[in-house]
Amino acid sequence: DADVTQTPRNRITKTGKRIMLECSQTKGHDRMYWYRQDPGLGLRLIYYSFDVKDINKGEISDGYSVSRQAQAKFSLSLESAIPNQTALYFCATSDRQGGREKLFFGSGTQLSVL
Amino acid sequence: GQNIDQPTEMTATEGAIVQINCTYQTSGFNGLFWYQQHAGEAPTFLSYNVLDGLEEKGRFSSFLSRSKGYSYLLLKELQMKDSASYLCAVRPNFNKFYFGSGTKLNVKP
Repeated sequence: DADVTQTPRNRITKTGKRIMLECSQTKGHDRMYWYRQDPGLGLRLIYYSFDVKDINKGEISDGYSVSRQAQAKFSLSLESAIPNQTALYFCATSDRQGGREKLFFGSGTQLSVL
Repeated sequence: GQNIDQPTEMTATEGAIVQINCTYQTSGFNGLFWYQQHAGEAPTFLSYNVLDGLEEKGRFSSFLSRSKGYSYLLLKELQMKDSASYLCAVRPNFNKFYFGSGTKLNVKP
C-alpha cells in the first residue's frame, strides 16, 4: 500500500467549480506539503503544514486553500477553478531527521480545468 | 528569490556515463537533493549533499560545491530504465524545498 495517497488520480472540471484534492499518509510524518508541477516550470510549493495547527503559504498560494484535518490528512481546495490551474498536483510528507529530511511524494492528481 | 538551473534535456547511450549539472542561487543553504521522476509518476529521492564533495550510492553519485553554487548528478553504466527526469532541489532553510525545472534524460540503445 502507498504511504502517501492522493485522491482522485485524475479530475476534469469546469471553470468556476470548487474542487478538493485529498491527501492522506501512513508514514506518521508531521510535515505535509502541496506542490504543483507544470511542464518547464518544475515543482512549485503551494502550501505547507508542520502540524495540525500550523498552515503556511508557499510560492503560489493565490487561488488555493488548505485544511489539515489531522496529522495524517491534508487537503487542497480550489475555491473557483480557472484554466491556468490545470496542472499535476503532488502531496508530499517529510520527517525531521537532522539535516537529512527528505520529501516523500504521493502519486499525483492530474487536474484539468476547462 | 531562489534560482535553480538545470539543462532541459539530455541524451545518452546505454552503458555510458552521463553528468547532469545544477547551479543554484538561494537565500540560504541547508542541503541539496536529487530526485528521479519517471513520466507520470511521483518523484523519488536519489541523493542528498550538504557538505562539499562526492556522495556515491551504487551507479549514482552526486557532487556539491557550495562556494560555486554547483552540483552534479553522475549516472554510470546507464540502463534504459534510467530514462526519466532528474530534479535538483535546494533547501535554503529547514522549512522549504525549492526545485529546478528538471532535466529529461533519454537513454538510447
